[in-house]
Amino acid sequence: DAGVIQSPRHEVTEMGQEVTLRCKPISGHDYLFWYRQTMMRGLELLIYFNNNVPIDDSGMPEDRFSAKMPNASFSTLKIQPSEPRDSAVYFCASSSGWGGMNTEAFFGQGTRLTVV
Amino acid sequence: QKEVEQNSGPLSVPEGAIASLNCTYSDRGSQSFFWYRQYSGKSPELIMSIYSNGDKEDGRFTAQLNKASQYVSLLIRDSQPSDSATYLCAVKAGNMLTFGGGTRLMVKP
Repeated sequence: DAGVIQSPRHEVTEMGQEVTLRCKPISGHDYLFWYRQTMMRGLELLIYFNNNVPIDDSGMPEDRFSAKMPNASFSTLKIQPSEPRDSAVYFCASSSGWGGMNTEAFFGQGTRLTVV
Repeated sequence: QKEVEQNSGPLSVPEGAIASLNCTYSDRGSQSFFWYRQYSGKSPELIMSIYSNGDKEDGRFTAQLNKASQYVSLLIRDSQPSDSATYLCAVKAGNMLTFGGGTRLMVKP
């Protein structure tokens, strides 16, 4: 398996523009997570899905952020409009049977977003 | 606010020494504990998981868990320069995985 695949790897955009980050989880995994990593705040969970349904979005910073998972093999994280403080590395992770104890989450390579 | 605390470091050890990384957590309902390694510019990579009190060994790595003290540690024996990275402690309670800020480890030849 190719692992969790994210695109693009790098994104530079101007303030006010819409940004869409994409993620393909590992085939067969039923949980998908979106994390954001910054120097100041570390790794923060934004939202997670189970069987394509959003379960907890309490980490989404504000209404400018939205996430969808239209099917088991694809998810998007959208920021509209983007702001410089959104600059971070965004990671997608997936897991199988996450509700059990003995499971792990596998991370994609991340998307480095820079908003200028 | 459920918290996971780590010393940010850097922790500097000479090659061949034992590196000791520590982590404390606040949620007593936490059930699973993980150590991730993250090289600069890369994604977190799971290196150890531990679920019950005591020690768990895997090669040069030993994870230690003390739920009464809400404390998790990672020992790296015979440290190598290639072990230089940031080590993230992660704690799972229910379906929520919370990360600490990470400890930067530097292994000097």
